[in-house]
Amino acid sequence: NAGVTQTPKFQVLKTGQSMTLQCAQDMNHEYMSWYRQDPGMGLRLIHYSVGAGITDQGEVPNGYNVSRSTTEDFPLRLLSAAPSQTSVYFCASNIKGHREAFFGQGTRLTVV
Amino acid sequence: DAKTTQPPSMDCAEGRAANLPCNHSTISGNEYVYWYRQIHSQGPQYIIHGLKNNETNEMASLIITEDRKSSTLILPHATLRDTAVYYCIRKNYGQNFVFGPGTRLSVLP
Repeated sequence: NAGVTQTPKFQVLKTGQSMTLQCAQDMNHEYMSWYRQDPGMGLRLIHYSVGAGITDQGEVPNGYNVSRSTTEDFPLRLLSAAPSQTSVYFCASNIKGHREAFFGQGTRLTVV
Repeated sequence: DAKTTQPPSMDCAEGRAANLPCNHSTISGNEYVYWYRQIHSQGPQYIIHGLKNNETNEMASLIITEDRKSSTLILPHATLRDTAVYYCIRKNYGQNFVFGPGTRLSVLP
């Protein structure tokens, strides 16, 4: 059971480039979410999904797009990378109800 | 708005119990208290959660006061590997997890 898998683990982008951070889970969880974590700070919610075909914005959605075409996958797209998006990105999944969320190991993104 | 208050840092001697406090004085009746930790820059790791009864698992114990306004996470025999940032989160059904700055626990040899 792989849990939550994020790829890539590290990425360097130039300003203005686009890319997609991948997140996949094999636990059949309805809920998936993306967070970013800047140095010395807690995690902030970017976007989340409560099921296939349903997405919504979190606390810091600007500059990011998401889609949820399958239960397993929840990719995060940066349309035009900016240095302010340099951060560590975490994907999480959980089932409905009062249950814990499982986190991936993160993608460390640097925008130069 | 993390809605919980934790001390920014704590120290604990190796082998001793680590008691991490959390204040959630405005918690509503249906909100659970969750604890996560983050070791270095890894993904957050779930520890334990509860509503009003004390809870215990293989990692830790969670003590929630009777009025539910505060809780304490107890690591019974802290090891160097328990050095991490610990997050206390209150969450209702259907809500997302909101992370504050947490408590940085340093376990000292």
